[in-house]
Amino acid sequence: LAKTTQPISMDSYEGQEVNITCSHNNIATNDYITWYQQFPSQGPRFIIQGYKTKVTNEVASLFIPADRKSSTLSLPRVSLSDTAVYYCLVGSHGSGNTGKLIFGQGTTLQVKP
Amino acid sequence: SAVISQKPSRDICQRGTSLTIQCQVDSQVTMMFWYRQQPGQSLTLIATANQGSEATYESGFVIDKFPISRPNLTFSTLTVSNMSPEDSSIYLCSVGYGGGTEAFFGQGTRLTVV
Repeated sequence: LAKTTQPISMDSYEGQEVNITCSHNNIATNDYITWYQQFPSQGPRFIIQGYKTKVTNEVASLFIPADRKSSTLSLPRVSLSDTAVYYCLVGSHGSGNTGKLIFGQGTTLQVKP
Repeated sequence: SAVISQKPSRDICQRGTSLTIQCQVDSQVTMMFWYRQQPGQSLTLIATANQGSEATYESGFVIDKFPISRPNLTFSTLTVSNMSPEDSSIYLCSVGYGGGTEAFFGQGTRLTVV
């Protein structure tokens, strides 16, 4: 499984857009990029997943450049409730995927009023 | 999607004792996993709970310390044996459907060993 690198922490203010970048230089052709969010005292929760270019859902957008060696999670207009740890994971799809998730250190986002 | 219930949600245990954590899923799932999250740290995979066979453990984790049962497709248990203060962590159950799709996590069991 490709190793990922993220900033350890980020600060933001309510109403701002937050972009968290993840590096995955050794990403394989079959690998997808997935982001999870973890609030204190809860298990991680799936946010978004993508393979290339841009993916958007009701929570976030995921930008993936052509070389796929990095990705950026974008959270529009954050609120205090977006304070959490955000994990970037890389893994393959298809029958070869065992379902195991290997978590990196994650990025602790602190949103301030 | 899947709804996962873990019991207990938290416990304080004496060193040298054992605690069994239960994980119940509201639907049949192929893959179940157990993770540990030490204070202030990320999640570390302990093992894959295989239905009808012995669990598959990750490097650094052994069956004698963390015996796992998976009697059916909706239930699993993790036992933390002969506990020491270093075992104080959050233990999380996770389920997946394979193929790199979304995984779901329980709320976790916060274990404190004194």
